Amino acid sequence: GQSLEQPSEVTAVEGAIVQINCTYQTSGFYGLSWYQQHDGGAPTFLSYNALDGLEETGRFSSFLSRSDSYGYLLLQELQMKDSASYFCAVRDNYGQNFVFGPGTRLSVLP
Amino acid sequence: DAGITQSPRHKVTETGTPVTLRCHQTENHRYMYWYRQDPGHGLRLIHYSYGVKDTDKGEVSDGYSVSRSKTEDFLLTLESATSSQTSVYFCAISEDKQAYEQYFGPGTRLTVT
Repeated sequence: GQSLEQPSEVTAVEGAIVQINCTYQTSGFYGLSWYQQHDGGAPTFLSYNALDGLEETGRFSSFLSRSDSYGYLLLQELQMKDSASYFCAVRDNYGQNFVFGPGTRLSVLP
Repeated sequence: DAGITQSPRHKVTETGTPVTLRCHQTENHRYMYWYRQDPGHGLRLIHYSYGVKDTDKGEVSDGYSVSRSKTEDFLLTLESATSSQTSVYFCAISEDKQAYEQYFGPGTRLTVT
């Protein structure tokens, strides 16, 4: 089966840079996705990596190393509104459904 | 935002009663999913559908059934609700099997007393 690990909590201050790591175990790999979820809200898609390297989307970047079964989400110029939970996700062995990590709660302090 | 609605948004019910949650989409996406979210567990897949009348089980399907009679509607039924099914339920859609992005509905908070 698949399993993903993320730190449960991360704290940083406004304007800082924070990295949220994700390690995964899966027999078939179809890419790593990241989602953001604010308290009381729905998850929303942030980024996707199918190949090794860095993908940049504004203040957010996502990195993947398939040889290390590892990825991270990098948030720059942190803002208070970035306080949320962040989930990594991979597709299952058949490439059909997503398996989500337990989530990392990011708290941005003033 | 993708057109996904869920109803009801909140529900309190008693143990042993049947409950049906509805997910409605206006995007004409083929794939629809039901997840439950509990603290410390992230999102866990209950059932999914890959077309009208085509459904399959997910990771935590025991105690749940689904139906999809139209492209736009995906129903989740708890035949006899238990307190362990108290959770937040999210519906999601994706365009096809290869899509890497899922769009989520606003969620339904279900409490079983």
